[in-house]
Amino acid sequence: RKEVEQDPGPFNVPEGATVAFNCTYSNSASQSFFWYRQDCRKEPKLLMSVYSSGNEDGRFTAQLNRASQYISLLIRDSKLSDSATYLCAVNNYDMRFGAGTRLTVKP
Amino acid sequence: DAGITQSPRHKVTETGTPVTLRCHQTENHRYMYWYRQDPGHGLRLIHYSYGVKDTDKGEVSDGYSVSRSKTEDFLLTLESATSSQTSVYFCAISEQAANQPQHFGDGTRLSIL
Repeated sequence: RKEVEQDPGPFNVPEGATVAFNCTYSNSASQSFFWYRQDCRKEPKLLMSVYSSGNEDGRFTAQLNRASQYISLLIRDSKLSDSATYLCAVNNYDMRFGAGTRLTVKP
Repeated sequence: DAGITQSPRHKVTETGTPVTLRCHQTENHRYMYWYRQDPGHGLRLIHYSYGVKDTDKGEVSDGYSVSRSKTEDFLLTLESATSSQTSVYFCAISEQAANQPQHFGDGTRLSIL
């Protein structure tokens, strides 16, 4: 079993839709959690950190569920520009990345 | 954007040749990392550094070596490249190992024929 697992998708949604991704992790001692966005043939870029109480940044909401060992990313009012691959990352002095979930937002 | 420069950006070489990739940062961050990214595997850590001359192995270190003689530079060397090392290589930096995100360079596309 991989340490960090994501549904690879693809998720194909219309503009304006709400879409959610989950990411499960196996190391219960993991301390910090992040979501990255990666455009085709580009580097991963930090989208947001994930805090224990959950956090929001505009249309993006991140949640952490330590009991069930998963993090989630919710995107509201999807834009064409949100089309990308979303990577989750889990850190316990050793960052582990999921393989990514591909999102395509269509007009 | 974090000041991270990778060179070269693209390279094509032949099996058995040595290859060195360079990562240069201007952020004065202590930690530097080399990853490879392959379809279906995501990002996998090759080696990392926690200071000048301090390095350690990651998940997929076989066939790779690294050096860090200055805070700002982290080199990845493939002593004798193999076709299985064809990949996209990313350098990343962070201020601390724990509880801090990593920031990535633009990547190097390496093809070994």
